[in-house]
Amino acid sequence: DARVTQTPRHKVTEMGQEVTMRCQPILGHNTVFWYRQTMMQGLELLAYFRNRAPLDDSGMPKDRFSAEMPDATLATLKIQPSEPRDSAVYFCASGLASISASQYFGPGTRLTVL
Amino acid sequence: TQLLEQSPQFLSIQEGENLTVYCNSSSVFSSLQWYRQEPGEGPVLLVTVVTGGEVKKLKRLTFQFGDARKDSSLHITAAQPGDTGLYLCAGVDAGNNRKLIWGLGTSLAVNP
Repeated sequence: DARVTQTPRHKVTEMGQEVTMRCQPILGHNTVFWYRQTMMQGLELLAYFRNRAPLDDSGMPKDRFSAEMPDATLATLKIQPSEPRDSAVYFCASGLASISASQYFGPGTRLTVL
Repeated sequence: TQLLEQSPQFLSIQEGENLTVYCNSSSVFSSLQWYRQEPGEGPVLLVTVVTGGEVKKLKRLTFQFGDARKDSSLHITAAQPGDTGLYLCAGVDAGNNRKLIWGLGTSLAVNP
């Protein structure tokens, strides 16, 4: 049963610390998405990769957030320095070909920045 | 700012009742997806609609895409406690196929 995996599932950190979240997309999927979900804003697209190249990262605060795909089996989202307003659930999703194709979500990383 | 408005925001019903939730926008979408999200999990895709006026059925769930491809509805017949969750719609902007716009969701609770 192929699934997207995310680590860690929970992260509590202090303001100013660096946070790295990892995602393993489903094998064979060539698109990877990073989302942030909060009660107030709902699900927000932060970044979108196809074949490991960033296609759209306009939703991501560039001064502190960065997203990379070192290889086809790993996507990372880094926040440095973290701030309390970054507290949210961060989801990774993977899919095939285009943004309109089915997206398969991981279980999320719940981040709390104190 | 393009928005997908979902209504109602919250819905609590008894097992066996029928319900309809809505997803509306002023924008035209080339396709629209419905997801269900359970607590502590990521959203799971239920259906994708592409053609204006299209109706798709998934057991007791009926999805409809508006003729103008600006809105969609999800109707659940004889709701069951297992239908409880957050229902999200997401549309691909027809003018920019790289942009996926998400609604805030309808939180449904079906009480036994």
